[in-house]
Amino acid sequence: DGGITQSPKYLFRKEGQNVTLSCEQNLNHDAMYWYRQDPGQGLRLIYYSQIVNDFQKGDIAEGYSVSREKKESFPLTVTSAQKNPTAFYLCASSRSAESSYNEQFFGPGTRLTVL
Amino acid sequence: QKEVEQDPGPLSVPEGAIVSLNCTYSNSAFQYFMWYRQYSRKGPELLMYTYSSGNKEDGRFTAQVDKSSKYISLFIRDSQPSDSATYLCAMSAYNQGGKLIFGQGTELSVKP
Repeated sequence: DGGITQSPKYLFRKEGQNVTLSCEQNLNHDAMYWYRQDPGQGLRLIYYSQIVNDFQKGDIAEGYSVSREKKESFPLTVTSAQKNPTAFYLCASSRSAESSYNEQFFGPGTRLTVL
Repeated sequence: QKEVEQDPGPLSVPEGAIVSLNCTYSNSAFQYFMWYRQYSRKGPELLMYTYSSGNKEDGRFTAQVDKSSKYISLFIRDSQPSDSATYLCAMSAYNQGGKLIFGQGTELSVKP
């Protein structure tokens, strides 16, 4: 089955720890995105990548880092610099970010909780 | 002021009711308008997509875009308990790298 997988489903982090969220897609999509979802705030863009080895900051990139070494993978690291990391994290992909519109397909999400 | 405003609800209706969900926006460059449905603790899935102004119908769902008023709507006819979810509007402008701007989401509950 083609789709987007995220792991783990639930993640617990202690204060001061860095954690990495995994996102993999087998849709052969060029573009990938990371969003954060908090109650009552919709989805906010953290980082996005239009092509391998290239990525751009979104609206709330502070305290996060990403890499795009392979087309199918776009891991997100939540660093200790992120002051309020407890949230639901969603990864998405689309065929291309260069054309006018492409449907974004979402993964099932990772719920991160800081202890 | 947020670029996209959406009433977060929650909205509770009886089964069979007509549901109206709405978003307003401020950026006149938006040309692509989407509605996503998100079940609890799941990723969003695309429900409807509309380009520029006009109406689009798909079964029990109708999406409307009024660019002159910067207002979009999603209507659900004969609502079912399985429609209970959070509905997110999203928009994008031409050549913006595929970036979507989301509303806050409206939580809908359809009671049997």
